[in-house]
Amino acid sequence: AQTVTQSQPEMSVQEAETVTLSCTYDTSENNYYLFWYKQPPSRQMILVIRQEAYKQQNATENRFSVNFQKAAKSFSLKISDSQLGDTAMYFCAFMKGSSNTGKLIFGQGTTLQVKP
Amino acid sequence: DAGVIQSPRHEVTEMGQEVTLRCKPISGHNSLFWYRQTMMRGLELLIYFNNNVPIDDSGMPEDRFSAKMPNASFSTLKIQPSEPRDSAVYFCASRTRPGHTGVETQYFGPGTRLLVL
Repeated sequence: AQTVTQSQPEMSVQEAETVTLSCTYDTSENNYYLFWYKQPPSRQMILVIRQEAYKQQNATENRFSVNFQKAAKSFSLKISDSQLGDTAMYFCAFMKGSSNTGKLIFGQGTTLQVKP
Repeated sequence: DAGVIQSPRHEVTEMGQEVTLRCKPISGHNSLFWYRQTMMRGLELLIYFNNNVPIDDSGMPEDRFSAKMPNASFSTLKIQPSEPRDSAVYFCASRTRPGHTGVETQYFGPGTRLLVL
């Protein structure tokens, strides 16, 4: 069975600084996807970034980038130039690669506080 | 696109009552997922549908929970009878069909916050 672990329950960062959120996972699959979702106080789940396991290049979306280490089964999220609106809970998630499956397995989440 | 639509956004009910949560997926998406979020268990998949057919309902807690998808644009999650331990945020998510760009990505609705007294 797949598992996702986020070892940092809470983190804080000063506005405009850079912060990295950690995520590790366990799987025997070779084809899979990894995601970071953001959940602000509104409770809406918002996709931040996704990574295909077969791609060696790390995904980037504006101020958000990942460090994907497949051999180490690590998938960290880096937020550059942190903004107050980045304050939220962040979830790392895993999904098998078959289009016939769809189960997202989530980590426990990391609460990020961006301080002015 | 309006995104995934869920109703109601908030529901307060008494133990023993029937609760029905509703979801309208993004138009053109053919997979629909129901998740539950609690402090104790985090986010967990309850059930998902492909082309309106339930594929995996192993996450449904017990017989009190049932889900239907009568057509491609509507799904319900029903709890009967409800219990206080069912209090949670229930999310619906959808994704596009195989062969389309971004097929792996699920888009979530705003959630329904359920409180069972």
